[in-house]
Amino acid sequence: GAVVSQHPSRVICKSGTSVKIECRSLDFQATTMFWYRQFPKQSLMLMATSNEGSKATYEQGVEKDKFLINHASLTLSTLTVTSAHPEDSSFYICSARLLAGITDTQYFGPGTRLTVL
Amino acid sequence: DQQVKQNSPSLSVQEGRISILNCDYTNSMFDYFLWYKKYPAEGPTFLISISSIKDKNEDGRFTVFLNKSAKHLSLHIVPSQPGDSAVYFCAASLTGNQFYFGTGTSLTVIP
Repeated sequence: GAVVSQHPSRVICKSGTSVKIECRSLDFQATTMFWYRQFPKQSLMLMATSNEGSKATYEQGVEKDKFLINHASLTLSTLTVTSAHPEDSSFYICSARLLAGITDTQYFGPGTRLTVL
Repeated sequence: DQQVKQNSPSLSVQEGRISILNCDYTNSMFDYFLWYKKYPAEGPTFLISISSIKDKNEDGRFTVFLNKSAKHLSLHIVPSQPGDSAVYFCAASLTGNQFYFGTGTSLTVIP
């Protein structure tokens, strides 16, 4: 199946710093990538939809100035958590959409564990 | 507005038996459905999908059934194995548009 990578897998940072997470589709081109957040024992929460070459679409309640998303190429999207605070500590997961004929599948990255001290 | 629902948060099954995970949706326009498996601290892994033009899709031990009139899909795993223990998410989409995920069902397969 299609492979999506995320980097870094874990990051610990101090409060007030910014953290960038990369999401790459390794063997296919993705015009659309998604960013999710997962809190412990909860479901995936869609944060934003990232379209190559255009601005991301954020879900209600997600601060676009805090969670900066860039989708500069068909294989790379980045999420930057700006001025991170402890409440931003979470598991962040990206996915890339593969549309082929009648199939429409999201392939997920392995996730990034962010801990803000 | 939960358009995709998994009403059973957890399920326990004996090894070797069948696991049946259920999912209901509200939007009759959805035309593509997927199941994902997720281990803790990992991203979801795509398992199997089905287009609305079909009512069944099989891949090895995994079979997805779609009942459009009832707006219901299910995932059957047979025989269940301890390694199948994970959280399973169903998802639905209008091809090319937003995906909607259920809240997940935690499956435990007892050896």
